[in-house]
Amino acid sequence: DVKVTQSSRYLVKRTGEKVFLECVQDMDHENMFWYRQDPGLGLRLIYFSYDVKMKEKGDIPEGYSVSREKKERFSLILESASTNQTSMYLCASSPSGSIDEQYFGPGTRLTVT
Amino acid sequence: GESVGLHLPTLSVQEGDNSIINCAYSNSASDYFIWYKQESGKGPQFIIDIRSNMDKRQGQRVTVLLNKTVKHLSLQIAATQPGDSAVYFCAESPDTGRRALTFGSGTRLQVQP
Repeated sequence: DVKVTQSSRYLVKRTGEKVFLECVQDMDHENMFWYRQDPGLGLRLIYFSYDVKMKEKGDIPEGYSVSREKKERFSLILESASTNQTSMYLCASSPSGSIDEQYFGPGTRLTVT
Repeated sequence: GESVGLHLPTLSVQEGDNSIINCAYSNSASDYFIWYKQESGKGPQFIIDIRSNMDKRQGQRVTVLLNKTVKHLSLQIAATQPGDSAVYFCAESPDTGRRALTFGSGTRLQVQP
């Protein structure tokens, strides 16, 4: 079974803090994605990566950055957390270079106070 | 069906009835569509997908219908069970070379015993 794990289920940070959200997948997938999920808005793509050290902006990249130093790990970084970044963050991976089913992690609920 | 905004549309059905969840997509060039189920506190899970060269695909108790003429996607669940209660998302892949999905805002399915 594909497993996508996220480092924390719940996280509380203060405004202005630097926040790291980690995601690891164990199936050698090329593609990895970060989404945020807010009530009534569905999933919105922040960044994605289709290879080590490669990254592309999604629909809402402002205030975020990412890092992919190893194939299995994709990190989302909030350089200076703000209250409007309080959300559920979901990581996903997919197995090929073309569009295919994405496998999701359980999510990290981040609260910025 | 899908909607934009803070209120998640809700479909309430009786146990044993069939459910139909609708989704309107925006990009006529999209060539891949997928339905996800998200239970409370979990990440989205794959249900079924369909490519644009098909108009119907069946799985176990689920059927996806694609009408490209009106850009409409539907998910049919036969003999709905309490375990089907969840939020359902449709997603499409815009044909821009991006290996990422664009998600709808979701529909909540409530199964009444």
